[in-house]
Formats: sequence, structure tokens, C-alpha cells
Amino acid sequence: GPKVLQIPSHQIIDMGQMVTLNCDPVSNHLYFYWYKQILGQQMEFLVNFYNGKVMEKSKLFKDQFSVERPDGSYFTLKIQPTALEDSAVYFCASSLGLGGPQNTLYFGAGTRLSVL
Amino acid sequence: AQKVTQTQTSISVMEKTTVTMDCVYETQDSSYFLFWYKQTASGEIVFLIRQDSYKKENATVGHYSLNFQKPKSSIGLIITATQIEDSAVYFCAMREGQGAGNKLTFGIGTRVLVRP
Repeated sequence: GPKVLQIPSHQIIDMGQMVTLNCDPVSNHLYFYWYKQILGQQMEFLVNFYNGKVMEKSKLFKDQFSVERPDGSYFTLKIQPTALEDSAVYFCASSLGLGGPQNTLYFGAGTRLSVL
Repeated sequence: AQKVTQTQTSISVMEKTTVTMDCVYETQDSSYFLFWYKQTASGEIVFLIRQDSYKKENATVGHYSLNFQKPKSSIGLIITATQIEDSAVYFCAMREGQGAGNKLTFGIGTRVLVRP
């Protein structure tokens, strides 16, 4: 099936530093998403992104979080500054559209973020 | 508010048999979309099958099929002729039809172990 690539697979960072998580979505997809999974809990929606703008964000998407996709390159999630509670696995996803079969999300394998 | 519940934390089955997983959901919308994903040991999340709420016929893809019982708000996943590589964590997810964003609400997952 369609592949979403996430780089890196694991990131260790000191609290207070900045981190950028990278995502290479499915090539013809237009909608991009980030989800967060804390160990032992379900995946939770953070934000979605279309045409250079955030469409919707959850309360988990703190002010320290930002997303962008400059010039069709990686779709990134930046956290600045990081906090201990940001430790989690972050999953990127993409979809072709919002309606019908096009709204199926395809996920990457996640980036495990460890904030020390 | 939407909610997805998977009550079975883990299931163990013998290879070549059938496994059934439960999922119930809560939504106020009359139109919604239901999805099943699996997460492999490597962390990869793979889309398996979907059911749109307006479709009465149960979806089938390969050896995956759904048991959609709309009056019970239930969407069970059935895997027939299981193989060792079907060992994974299986997630049920729902997207409500109204509003923008294509936001998925996930269950906590059911771990399936297929034994030789």
C-alpha cells in the first residue's frame, strides 16, 4: 500500500531543546496529519494540514508545537521548547482527500521522542 | 463526543483459524466512517479495511472482513485463515461525517498472537 516515511525513527533530546520531526507523505496526497501515542494509550489526533495551513488542532497541540511543509518538502512537526510530557511516539499520516475512499489515512511507522 | 472502545486487550489463536475482534463506537452523527488498522512489531501502521456507515453490506478485503451491526454501534473485525504474520496490534478507528478535518478517534487496540 501507499507508504509514509518518518525520519528519524527515534530521537532523544534534552528538555527545553527544540526538535523537528520529519514526514514524507504519500506523493499525491494533499492532507497531512500528526497523531501522538503515549505508551499504553490510544493514538490521539494532534493536527491536520492542507494547502499550507492548519485546518484543525486538538488541545494536545500546545503553543510550543508548529507544523509546516515548505515547498512540498517534508511535512514537519516542530516542538520548541520540549517538555518531559512530550515524550511519546508521533505518527504522521496523509490522505488524498476528505470524502469517500479518499479520506483513508495512511500512516508512517512513527518517531519515538524521548525527552530527558 | 465520539468514543471508540475495544474491550479485548489480547487474543491468542492457532495458525489457520479465525479470529474475531470487537469494537464499539459512540457518535451523534448519522454519517461516519469506520476503519481498522494493524500495528506490526516494527511499529508500522497498516490500513486494512473500512466501512462507510451508509453501506449495509459488510466490507471484505482479502482475508479481512467486517461485521457491521449499526443498531449496536459495533464494527467487529474477522480474520480468517490466520497466518503467523497476522500477529500484531489491531486498532479500530472512527471518523464522524460532519465537519472538516478527517479526524480519527482510535480505540486502545487488541493484541493478537497467532501461534504455529
